[in-house]
Amino acid sequence: NAGVTQTPKFQVLKTGQSMTLQCAQDMNHNSMYWYRQDPGMGLRLIYYSASEGTTDKGEVPNGYNVSRLNKREFSLRLESAAPSQTSVYFCATLGDYGYTFGSGTRLTVV
Amino acid sequence: QKEVEQNSGPLSVPEGAIASLNCTYSDRGSQSFFWYRQYSGKSPELIMSIYSNGDKEDGRFTAQLNKASQYVSLLIRDSQPSDSATYLCAVKEWSNMLTFGGGTRLMVKP
Repeated sequence: NAGVTQTPKFQVLKTGQSMTLQCAQDMNHNSMYWYRQDPGMGLRLIYYSASEGTTDKGEVPNGYNVSRLNKREFSLRLESAAPSQTSVYFCATLGDYGYTFGSGTRLTVV
Repeated sequence: QKEVEQNSGPLSVPEGAIASLNCTYSDRGSQSFFWYRQYSGKSPELIMSIYSNGDKEDGRFTAQLNKASQYVSLLIRDSQPSDSATYLCAVKEWSNMLTFGGGTRLMVKP
């Protein structure tokens, strides 16, 4: 099925550990995004990629890095996880009719 | 700072009633407007998009846009318990990014 696939769905990290969240799309969209969603804070943009080979910071980029490996894949890396990064992370692509979201990654940093 | 404001709710309506969800935005240059529905623990899914002033109807859903007042709303007719969810308003300016409101939680009681 066409769409946006995120892995993993759940993850528990210890403070200071690193990990990479993976996102892949088969919708042939140029633009891809990483958001985090926290209670009472709504969806906040971390990083985005307007096209293959380009990335830009969003509203809350500190503590994160991204890689747009190719048109399909856009990964989010936490180099040294902090409890403040406990959140639900969504990857999205932009098509003619708005965003399509992945199913999300629920990350807990202890 | 571009802002999209929504009442967090919860908005409680009886089954069969009309639910009215409202959203205001700060950037007069905003071009496209979207309503997403998000069930608890799930990712947002697109319900409606609207681009010009007036009403746009799709089944039980009607989106209304008033650019002069910087106001967009979503009406849900014949509300069902399955409509209980958080509804996110999103606004697109000239760039290919959406700014989201904090969402309104809707509860439809049988």
